[in-house]
Amino acid sequence: AQSVTQLDSQVPVFEEAPVELRCNYSSSVSVYLFWYVQYPNQGLQLLLKYLSGSTLVKGINGFEAEFNKSQTSFHLRKPSVHISDTAEYFCAVRGADSNYQLIWGAGTKLIIKP
Amino acid sequence: DTEVTQTPKHLVMGMTNKKSLKCEQHMGHRAMYWYKQKAKKPPELMFVYSYEKLSINESVPSRFSPECPNSSLLNLHLHALQPEDSALYLCASSLERAGGTEAFFGQGTRLTVV
Repeated sequence: AQSVTQLDSQVPVFEEAPVELRCNYSSSVSVYLFWYVQYPNQGLQLLLKYLSGSTLVKGINGFEAEFNKSQTSFHLRKPSVHISDTAEYFCAVRGADSNYQLIWGAGTKLIIKP
Repeated sequence: DTEVTQTPKHLVMGMTNKKSLKCEQHMGHRAMYWYKQKAKKPPELMFVYSYEKLSINESVPSRFSPECPNSSLLNLHLHALQPEDSALYLCASSLERAGGTEAFFGQGTRLTVV
């Protein structure tokens, strides 16, 4: 079984500042990792995913994430945020032995201060 | 076409009404999903269809009835709902159930039960 912990429910940050949203997971098997973004009153959009290979993954909108197997983490980063990045961010994991189930973190609300 | 289209966007229904939510994708995906999302929470899996057959029912009450008429369409029939069923209902699809294939989400139907 897998579990996902997003350590911060809210992250306030000034516009043009860097941001890191934290995600830790636990699993007894290999995992696939995902970050999704949900803008207000919208569905979920995939930002990036880690399947295998390079541990640094680049996604859309200038976001990137680094898979750290020893720390069981998959933190999301952006060097300079914009007002338009205001949204809820969800980390999710699927076990390599699982055929459908995405396990979701509780979400982190990114609040951009002007 | 990388879209999952859901209709309607908003729905208000009484507890004695019967209504249906619709979802359509033309990406050739063979797995389709219904999720329920309450405010400020991650999505909760309800149903999974794989190759037009129901493969997962996450102990959802029978007042929710899914249907997959063909590989591009997914419906969710609603009957005798309760106010606590008010939520955002998200449809998603993926190439297949397994592995690192990501799910593509629709914009959701905001359901209010009065």
